[in-house]
Formats: sequence, structure tokens, C-alpha cells
Amino acid sequence: EAQVTQNPRYLITVTGKKLTVTCSQNMNHEYMSWYRQDPGLGLRQIYYSMNVEVTDKGDVPEGYKVSRKEKRNFPLILESPSPNQTSLYFCASSLYSDLVGSGPGELFFGEGSRLTVL
Amino acid sequence: AQKVTQAQTEISVVEKEDVTLDCVYETRDTTYYLFWYKQPPSGELVFLIRRNSFDEQNEISGRYSWNFQKSTSSFNFTITASQVVDSAVYFCALKGGSQGNLIFGKGTKLSVKP
Repeated sequence: EAQVTQNPRYLITVTGKKLTVTCSQNMNHEYMSWYRQDPGLGLRQIYYSMNVEVTDKGDVPEGYKVSRKEKRNFPLILESPSPNQTSLYFCASSLYSDLVGSGPGELFFGEGSRLTVL
Repeated sequence: AQKVTQAQTEISVVEKEDVTLDCVYETRDTTYYLFWYKQPPSGELVFLIRRNSFDEQNEISGRYSWNFQKSTSSFNFTITASQVVDSAVYFCALKGGSQGNLIFGKGTKLSVKP
């Protein structure tokens, strides 16, 4: 079954304790991305990756790191979490093409990871 | 800079009413892509449609239809004969052709009451 898998789904942690949210997709997608969802703010992009070893900042990258060593995995790292990073996080992936008229395909989302930082 | 505006924060209708969700976008790219996603109360994000800037044809899929107007930079979504199962938050999103990032609007929460 085609899917994007995030872990953990729920996590409560304390300020400053490093954590990693894993994301894996089995669709051989080039494009992967992380979003956070907060009430009244919608979905905001944290980082994205167009392919292996290529990552770029989204709109709210501060306090986060990512890596793309393999095509299927795109972990989100919070080196020193703070309470303002309490949020619902979504990982997503899609096929991507540079051909005119093609462009990004449908984004497949994981089920979300609800993170609480105390 | 790219921007997506969904001016309607919340809409409440009674079942069987038609409802239109507005989406206005800004981009300097001549090639761009527009999307709609649905987030039901269960929380997952469900893809509804993708439209590229070269294709201004409106689309209908069952009770759902989309009106793409480049002249007004809008990509509105209409649900005909709404049902309780349509209750969800709906997000409009934009990706410019020269950009790698996909920008979402803040979403419109639709409540359909029986």
C-alpha cells in the first residue's frame, strides 16, 4: 500500500531534549516536505527536499533540521525543542517533474505527529 | 512573494445547500500550480484537485466543482447539495513554477448541519 509513515504519532517531551520525528515513503517520490499545523495559521512549510541530498528552507525553518540521505526517508530533527514548537506536524511526498505542464503531483500526507513540548 | 488567501474562516450551512469556498492567490510566476485539500475531523489531509496555470478549464467531479479565473487570481471551490460528510477544513495551496515550496492558505472550516 502506498503510504507516508510518520513516527511517533504522539509525543510529549520537555524543553531542550533533542528529538527526531521520522518520515518514510514507499512511493519512490522525489519531493518530500514537512509542515506544521497550528490553529488559525493553517499549514506552514518547515523544510522541503526536491531529491536526495537537496534540502531547502520553507517558511518557518527556525529550530528545525532535516536531512535527506536516502530517497525514502526525510527525518525532522528538533535539536533543542521549545514550547512554541508544540504543534501538529505533517510529512508529505510527491512525484515531481521539471517538465513544463507537469510539475508537482498530488502531495501524499502522513497521518500527522502531535508534539507537545513542556 | 507567493500568498494564498482564504478569507472565509468558517462557514456553516444546512444540508443540501450549495456552498462556495473562496481562494485568492498571488504569485509572480507565469507557471504555477493550485491545489485543494480536505481535512476531515479525523485529521488526515485528502487531495482533491490539482490545476496548472495553463489550464483554465473549470472542473466538475460529482458534487464538487472548481472555478479557476486567472484574471482575478482566484480558484474557488463549490460543493453542490452539501452533505454532513462534507464537514471539514478545506485548504487551498499554491506552488510557483520557480519555487520548491508549496504554500497553503489558512483554511476554511465548513460545517454542514443536518
